[in-house]
Amino acid sequence: DAGVTQSPTHLIKTRGQQVTLRCSPISGHKSVSWYQQVLGQGPQFIFQYYEKEERGRGNFPDRFSARQFPNYSSELNVNALLLGDSALYLCASSSGLAGGPYEQYFGPGTRLTVT
Amino acid sequence: QQQVKQSPQSLIVQKGGISIINCAYENTAFDYFPWYQQFPGKGPALLIAIRPDVSEKKEGRFTISFNKSAKQFSLHIMDSQPGDSATYFCAASKGGYQKVTFGTGTKLQVIP
Repeated sequence: DAGVTQSPTHLIKTRGQQVTLRCSPISGHKSVSWYQQVLGQGPQFIFQYYEKEERGRGNFPDRFSARQFPNYSSELNVNALLLGDSALYLCASSSGLAGGPYEQYFGPGTRLTVT
Repeated sequence: QQQVKQSPQSLIVQKGGISIINCAYENTAFDYFPWYQQFPGKGPALLIAIRPDVSEKKEGRFTISFNKSAKQFSLHIMDSQPGDSATYFCAASKGGYQKVTFGTGTKLQVIP
């Protein structure tokens, strides 16, 4: 079975530009979460979506937005890119929400470099 | 506010030895404690996880020990192998809300 897939693998953008990252969850999984991992640190939670609705938001500015589609895939958008947005962006999927199971499975990530 | 503290930052262990990574949490509402293994250039992979109603869980060479009263948990890797060399993250989350709060990571190097 295919795991979580993300595209693109790598991306280079200029300050001020906008970027869209894509994620396809494991088949049958309805919940998608996005994380930002800066080099040398642990992942930081950005968003969680379940059944196309936002169910959680981390401490990130409004420049970050996301959505989930009817097929449960998801997009993360970042506007007005800053140098500090350079990071590995991870998508994780899980099968449920309330009451578990809680296991989240991560994709390989999209490496974003802002110059 | 860092809700999950992890130590050590780096660890060097000889092949066959025991690797021990410790974590402490603050939020008593956490009820799920996973450990992730991450290789360079890859996403974190779920290794093993525990709920607070269990004091220990073992899967192969990996064991989680959990101390609810002290709000601490640890990962033990028995018979450590060079292939175990990776960064390990402890994490915690609350039921019904799958935001996972990660520790700062431990870079493990297993030398032959």
